[in-house]
Amino acid sequence: QSALTQPPSASGSPGQSVTISCTGTSSDVGSYNYVSWYQQHPGKAPRLMIYEVNKRPSGVPDRFSGSKSGNTASLTVSGLQAEDEADYYCSSYAASRVFGGGTKLTVL
Amino acid sequence: DVQLVESGGGLVQPGGSLRLSCAASGFTFSNYWMSWVRQAPGKGLEWVANIKEDGSDKYYVDSVKGRFTISRDNAKNSLYLQMNSLRAEDTAVYYCAKDLGYLAFDIWGQGTMVAVSS
Repeated sequence: QSALTQPPSASGSPGQSVTISCTGTSSDVGSYNYVSWYQQHPGKAPRLMIYEVNKRPSGVPDRFSGSKSGNTASLTVSGLQAEDEADYYCSSYAASRVFGGGTKLTVL
Repeated sequence: DVQLVESGGGLVQPGGSLRLSCAASGFTFSNYWMSWVRQAPGKGLEWVANIKEDGSDKYYVDSVKGRFTISRDNAKNSLYLQMNSLRAEDTAVYYCAKDLGYLAFDIWGQGTMVAVSS
């Protein structure tokens, strides 16, 4: 088991697309389709945005999409909007620390 | 509305104890695993513990094993976290979260702050 690795920061201009990666191992991300993504605004509770790699809960805009290739999962935000600026965390079943370290997304 | 509401946080001295509660509503509480997740000031999310639907299985992050105990009362739709021998590094906002069963969390409470300091 090991921790999930995310880039500490990402950025994009309004209307652009940005992709955040989440790298695990063959024992967690690579073995299970149980990768989730969470959005967290300052001072707020996290919000589930993607589960089971690419499924969106009700109410999550379809601008948010998830994918996985090998041991790396990705969250793509298309058509960036100002309100997308937040911290994003991935998680995976069987990952030693469950959550990645988080990525701060800045909308320029 | 589906809702989780935590309570019980506060300021406690090192070595002290605290019991957190989480009241669930709007869903069949007894059908779901539940978890506690914490976030130290300015830091990322850390899963702390989870408990099976009927309370028969419980798991903890290594750093709290032997000090924290997760429990639930399905008749009261409530989740608990008993925290003993608290340390400064336990200072965090503690969230309860509804678990989809594979450490994915679809419903979160608003969080309760625990500060461990002398």
